[in-house]
Amino acid sequence: RKEVEQDPGPFNVPEGATVAFNCTYSNSASQSFFWYRQDCRKEPKLLMSVYSSGNEDGRFTAQLNRASQYISLLIRDSKLSDSATYLCVVNLPRDSSYKLIFGSGTRLLVRP
Amino acid sequence: DAGITQSPRYKITETGRQVTLMCHQTWSHSYMFWYRQDLGHGLRLIYYSAAADITDKGEVPDGYVVSRSKTENFPLTLESATRSQTSVYFCASKLGETQYFGPGTRLLVL
Repeated sequence: RKEVEQDPGPFNVPEGATVAFNCTYSNSASQSFFWYRQDCRKEPKLLMSVYSSGNEDGRFTAQLNRASQYISLLIRDSKLSDSATYLCVVNLPRDSSYKLIFGSGTRLLVRP
Repeated sequence: DAGITQSPRYKITETGRQVTLMCHQTWSHSYMFWYRQDLGHGLRLIYYSAAADITDKGEVPDGYVVSRSKTENFPLTLESATRSQTSVYFCASKLGETQYFGPGTRLLVL
């Protein structure tokens, strides 16, 4: 079983739609969680951290369910520019070197 | 302000050749990382470094060597390239909880 699992998609949605991505992680001791965004043939960039209480950044909402070991990302009012691959990322527990484990990514296509 | 740069951006080499991928950061971040990205696997950690002269293995270190004589540079060497090392290689540095990635090197081993 992969340490971080994501539906690869693609999710093909019209502009203005709301879309949600899910991610599960296998190590219950993981402490930090993130969503990174990767555009085609580009490097990954941090989109947002995920906090236990849930957090929002504009049109993006991230939630964490520790009991189910589940992370989600909700994008409201999708824009064409949201088309990218979204990587779910967790850290290794109690590891001061802060190594990260990346999911394979979920691809989003927003159409006009 | 360049941040993290990688060179070369594209490289074609032959099986058995030694290849060095360069990574340079302008921020003086302590931690640096090398990842490879392949379809279906996501990003996998090859090596990382906590500071100059301190390096450690990641998930997939076999066939790779790193060094870090200066904080700003973290080169990755493929000692004897194999076809399975065809991949996109990303270098990253860390500040706080955030990792910042370079633009990547696309390596093709024939």
